[in-house]
Amino acid sequence: DQQVKQNSPSLSVQEGRISILNCDYTNSMFDYFLWYKKYPAEGPTFLISISSIKDKNEDGRFTVFLNKSAKHLSLHIVPSQPGDSAVYFCAAPPLIGETSGSRLTFGEGTQLTVNP
Amino acid sequence: DTGVSQDPRHKITKRGQNVTFRCDPISEHNRLYWYRQTLGQGPEFLTYFQNEAQLEKSRLLSDRFSAERPKGSFSTLEIQRTEQGDSAMYLCASSFSARQETQYFGPGTRLLVL
Repeated sequence: DQQVKQNSPSLSVQEGRISILNCDYTNSMFDYFLWYKKYPAEGPTFLISISSIKDKNEDGRFTVFLNKSAKHLSLHIVPSQPGDSAVYFCAAPPLIGETSGSRLTFGEGTQLTVNP
Repeated sequence: DTGVSQDPRHKITKRGQNVTFRCDPISEHNRLYWYRQTLGQGPEFLTYFQNEAQLEKSRLLSDRFSAERPKGSFSTLEIQRTEQGDSAMYLCASSFSARQETQYFGPGTRLLVL
């Protein structure tokens, strides 16, 4: 049961253009989401998060949008740079009361390639 | 403190051997997580510790897997009688104790079982 899903395994964009990475989730009770970036041979690095009380969160070139009715979130990178080439994962913590911890459920990831 | 560290970074072993990985979390963090990542997939949760107590284990963590965090600082993950299906990247992460607290990941240990 894949509760967080990224349907596009790869995305290629030109430097300076917008990159849009998508993520869908199945459980409408999820109330917080995170995006991580992963370079080869490194662990995932936290990028940006969003709470379900918001529909947008922005940090520099990175903006995450949340559409609760569609159970969909997206990460926008503007402008894209070659150094942004990495695998991007969306993730969600467990539901309130489900567990005492904060184990993350990750999507499958999207490989972003930004071409110079 | 420079972040979460893991040792070794790479491990090649023969099927049936035992392996042990170490994770040193960020020193102020009292939660420590282990994940496993295989090719083309996102990290999958294995287990987590709050201080020295192991509070949750995934069904992915078979009887051959054991994890410890004896003094609430570093943690070890041992795999006994390794199988080829255990080949994966093993990631450790740490955080403060809060549901929405950001988890910081180490570089991972890549295991190859021949």
